[in-house]
Formats: sequence, C-alpha cells, structure tokens
Amino acid sequence: QKEVEQNSGPLSVPEGAIASLNCTYSDRGSQSFFWYRQYSGKSPELIMSIYSNGDKEDGRFTAQLNKASQYVSLLIRDSQPSDSATYLCAVSYSGGYQKVTFGTGTKLQVIP
Amino acid sequence: DTEVTQTPKHLVMGMTNKKSLKCEQHMGHRAMYWYKQKAKKPPELMFVYSYEKLSINESVPSRFSPECPNSSLLNLHLHALQPEDSALYLCASSQDNSPGWPQHFGDGTRLSIL
Repeated sequence: QKEVEQNSGPLSVPEGAIASLNCTYSDRGSQSFFWYRQYSGKSPELIMSIYSNGDKEDGRFTAQLNKASQYVSLLIRDSQPSDSATYLCAVSYSGGYQKVTFGTGTKLQVIP
Repeated sequence: DTEVTQTPKHLVMGMTNKKSLKCEQHMGHRAMYWYKQKAKKPPELMFVYSYEKLSINESVPSRFSPECPNSSLLNLHLHALQPEDSALYLCASSQDNSPGWPQHFGDGTRLSIL
C-alpha cells in the first residue's frame, strides 16, 4: 500500500509569514512529486513539480525534496490571505504507468 | 481559465436516470483520467485512458462507464447511480501516461443523486 501522509491542519499563519507544508511518502520507488492547491469547492490546481533532491523555486513557492528521508515540503513566502486553501501533496511512482497517490491535504489559513 | 473543460458544472439526477459527463482538452495530451472526490477527501482515481485505450480501471462499479471517442474527449456515462455516488467528478489530462508528467484538472462536475 503506497501511502502519502500530510498533517490535515488547519495550519494558521499570519499574513506575510512563511507557511511550511510537509509530506512524507512510503514508496522508495517514487519518482515524481507534485503540489496542488485546492480552494473550497474548486478543482486542484498544479503549483509545483519536483523530481530531484534539493530545492526548486517558483515565485513565492519553494518545493523541497529529500528522497533519503522520503520527505517533500512546500514553503510559501510572504503568505497572503488568497493562499488560504487546502494543499495536496501527490506522488507518482515507477510502475510503468502514471498513477498518482494523493495525500489527504493540509488546510492552510492565512490570517490578515 | 482551465485548459481542461468539463460539462456540465452541476448535475442532479435520480437513481433511475442515465446521464453523461463530458471532458475535453486541446493540449495534445494523450492520457486522460477520471477522479471522484468526496468532501474533505483527496481525489480518488477511477479510470485512466492512455492513447485512447483504457489502461486502468480501479474496480469501479459498472454503473460508471467511461468512453474515449478521440484523443481530446473523455466521457463518463452514468446509470442507476446510488446516493453515495454524489461527489465532485474531476477530469484530468497529462502529456502521456508515463510517471513524471503532471496532471491538469478541469473544474469538475458536481453530481447530486436524489
């Protein structure tokens, strides 16, 4: 059973602070890692993809991957109230086909 | 605006009705997916089409019947659904079916079974 674990939250941070969202996964064969943002009642929106160890930055977002620790994180700098959403971690493993396992998501609340 | 278009946005149907959900993408993607999402839960994979062929069926009840008429279109035919099938149905697409390509989601169809 391939598992992806996230703290459900809510994670509350003040506006302007750094929000840190964490995700662990069970399958060492996992190759690709994605962060999606989902507003209430809306569909998931891709924010970041990361494939190799280290950091990947895109604007206010930084994804971090540590395959040895089976850990992936998302940092949101200068958090805004509009960042308030549920963040889903998704992991794709090498099985000859694209099958993504989603975590249960972390709800982020940015307090003005 | 999403590049994966789903219709209708909302659907209310009785347990004896037959209806279809439609999904269209014009990104040239060759893999398309159907997911079911209940409130406060992650998306749950139902079907995967790769190059217009069904490659994954996650043991979905036969009252859900997928169809991929061409590389841009994906349908989900519904018949004799149960109240517990009420959920948000999401369509997604990716470049192809190999690991590594991110999936892009449509806005979803919110389905209510009376």
